[in-house]
Amino acid sequence: KQEVTQIPAALSVPEGENLVLNCSFTDSAIYNLQWFRQDPGKGLTSLLLIQSSQREQTSGRLNASLDKSSGRSTLYIAASQPGDSATYLCAPGALMGGGNKLTFGTGTQLKVEL
Amino acid sequence: DGGITQSPKYLFRKEGQNVTLSCEQNLNHDAMYWYRQDPGQGLRLIYYSQIVNDFQKGDIAEGYSVSREKKESFPLTVTSAQKNPTAFYLCASSMSGLVATQYFGPGTRLLVL
Repeated sequence: KQEVTQIPAALSVPEGENLVLNCSFTDSAIYNLQWFRQDPGKGLTSLLLIQSSQREQTSGRLNASLDKSSGRSTLYIAASQPGDSATYLCAPGALMGGGNKLTFGTGTQLKVEL
Repeated sequence: DGGITQSPKYLFRKEGQNVTLSCEQNLNHDAMYWYRQDPGQGLRLIYYSQIVNDFQKGDIAEGYSVSREKKESFPLTVTSAQKNPTAFYLCASSMSGLVATQYFGPGTRLLVL
């Protein structure tokens, strides 16, 4: 059974700082890994999807890396802004009935302060 | 605007009552999913559907039922057999395949009276 751990559980940083969020997973038989953000009381917003054959993926100030063999992914946020405050979730995806089953961690709650 | 809509935003259930949560998407996605989110826990998969008229149980299907009569719609019924239904329910959809991004709706919060 896939288990996903995200460290740290919470993080508070001053605006402008670069930061790294960590995700580890126990089963390396994955096809992809998605990073999401969730604002309080809202649904999830997809940030990045990394295919298992890729090492990293970039979107704007976000860069996600994947080391499938060691069961790790990191999300790098450059020049953090108060609008980046949210909970960040990682979810490795594996085969499920021909489709993609995501297993979620409990997230890292990020606060970016002025 | 393309997207996923869920209704209602808040739903109250009385003891012994079945309630239905709506999920609609206009993204032309084949696959749809229902997740449950509880405080301090990761999202857990309730049911998923890869195609119309077919659906499969996820990790926590007991006490729930679904239907998939149209591509756009995947309603979830929380039955009276679900003894602890209070949670935030999220619907998602994706294209078919193993590397398709899942997109989420805004969620429905279910509370028990």
